[in-house]
Amino acid sequence: KAGVTQTPRYLIKTRGQQVTLSCSPISGHRSVSWYQQTPGQGLQFLFEYFSETQRNKGNFPGRFSGRQFSNSRSEMNVSTLELGDSALYLCASSPLTGGEDGYTFGSGTRLTVV
Amino acid sequence: GDSVTQMEGPVTLSEEAFLTINCTYTATGYPSLFWYVQYPGEGLQLLLKATKADDKGSNKGFEATYRKETTSFHLEKGSVQVSDSAVYFCALYEGAQKLVFGQGTRLTINP
Repeated sequence: KAGVTQTPRYLIKTRGQQVTLSCSPISGHRSVSWYQQTPGQGLQFLFEYFSETQRNKGNFPGRFSGRQFSNSRSEMNVSTLELGDSALYLCASSPLTGGEDGYTFGSGTRLTVV
Repeated sequence: GDSVTQMEGPVTLSEEAFLTINCTYTATGYPSLFWYVQYPGEGLQLLLKATKADDKGSNKGFEATYRKETTSFHLEKGSVQVSDSAVYFCALYEGAQKLVFGQGTRLTINP
């Protein structure tokens, strides 16, 4: 059974550019969440989607956005990149509407902003 | 709001030593509790979980017991191996479709 797939694995962008990251959840999982991991702030929740609807959003500026497609695949977009956006972005999926049984994470996309 | 506090790292042990990584939490209700592990260059892997008080989660020799009275979920292993070297995260889920993580504890096991 394939796990959570994130593409690309690594990305280098210039300040001011925008970027789109992709996540394919485990087959049958309908909930997809995104997290940002940095050495200073640790793991922080970005947003969660279920059946194409965003159900919760973390405390990030509007430059961070996402969406989910009818096949449960999700994308997140960051516009007007800043140096501080350099991080590992992790996607997680769950079969349920809630995370009581835990989420399965992908290997992440390492974004470097220069 | 909800929060998770883990013991400060890094932690360095010799192979076959006993491991404890402390984790305490603050929550308004009765969350599910998790330990995740992150190996270098990888994402997070679910190590074990407990969904209610007094539950014991276990996997790969690791154990943790959900203690409501002390709001704790300490991770233990009786005999660590070099391959256990990684960063360990304690986390809780109390609805709102999100996990709340501790700051992580880096564990290094020397042969």
